[in-house]
Amino acid sequence: EDKVVQSPLSLVVHEGDTVTLNCSYEVTNFRSLLWYKQEKKAPTFLFMLTSSGIEKKSGRLSSILDKKELSSILNITATQTGDSAIYLCAVERAGGTSYGKLTFGQGTILTVHP
Amino acid sequence: DARVTQTPRHKVTEMGQEVTMRCQPILGHNTVFWYRQTMMQGLELLAYFRNRAPLDDSGMPKDRFSAEMPDATLATLKIQPSEPRDSAVYFCASATPGQGVITEAFFGQGTRLTVV
Repeated sequence: EDKVVQSPLSLVVHEGDTVTLNCSYEVTNFRSLLWYKQEKKAPTFLFMLTSSGIEKKSGRLSSILDKKELSSILNITATQTGDSAIYLCAVERAGGTSYGKLTFGQGTILTVHP
Repeated sequence: DARVTQTPRHKVTEMGQEVTMRCQPILGHNTVFWYRQTMMQGLELLAYFRNRAPLDDSGMPKDRFSAEMPDATLATLKIQPSEPRDSAVYFCASATPGQGVITEAFFGQGTRLTVV
C-alpha cells in the first residue's frame, strides 16, 4: 500500500520567517511527487517533481525531490499571512493499470502570524 | 472555464439515511478520484476510475459505500446507510495522467457531509 508521511503536522510562524515542510513516501513504481496548497476549499496544484535533485521554484516557494531518500521538501521564504494553508504532498504511480493513482499525506497546517 | 463540479456543497442527514454525492469531471479528463478529508486522517483515497472503469476502491468501506460512473460526465459516491463517522468533506478530482503529461489533478469544491 502506498504511503505518504508529512511533517510537521502543524507549524506556526511569523511573517518573514522561512519554513521547510517535509514529505517522505513509499510507493509501488514511483512516477512523480506533487505538492498542493489548500486554503479554504479545494486543494490547488503547486509543483510536480519527477527527477531527483532538480529544484522547482515559483516565487517564494521552492521544492526538491530526493529519490534516494524517498523524500521531498517544500521551502517557503519570507512567509506572508497569505501563505497560511494546509500543504499537501502526494505521490503518483507509474505503469500498469494503476498509473496515475495519487496518494496524499495528512498535510502540514501552516499558520503565519502578522 | 474548466472546473470540477460537485453537488451538493453541504449535506446534513440523519444516521441511517442514504446519501448520494455527485461529481462532474472536467470534459476530456479520463481519470476521476474520490477522496475523503478529515482532520484525523487527512485526505484518503476512496476510489478512482479510468475511462469510467473502477481501478481501485480498496480505500472504501464496501459494506456501505459504492462509487460509479454512469457516463463520462458524471461520477457518483453513495453511502447507505450513513453513520456519524462518515462526517467529512468528500472531494472529487479529475485528471488525465500519461507519459510527458503533468498529472495535475483538479479538485472540486467538495461536499461537506454531516451525519447526525
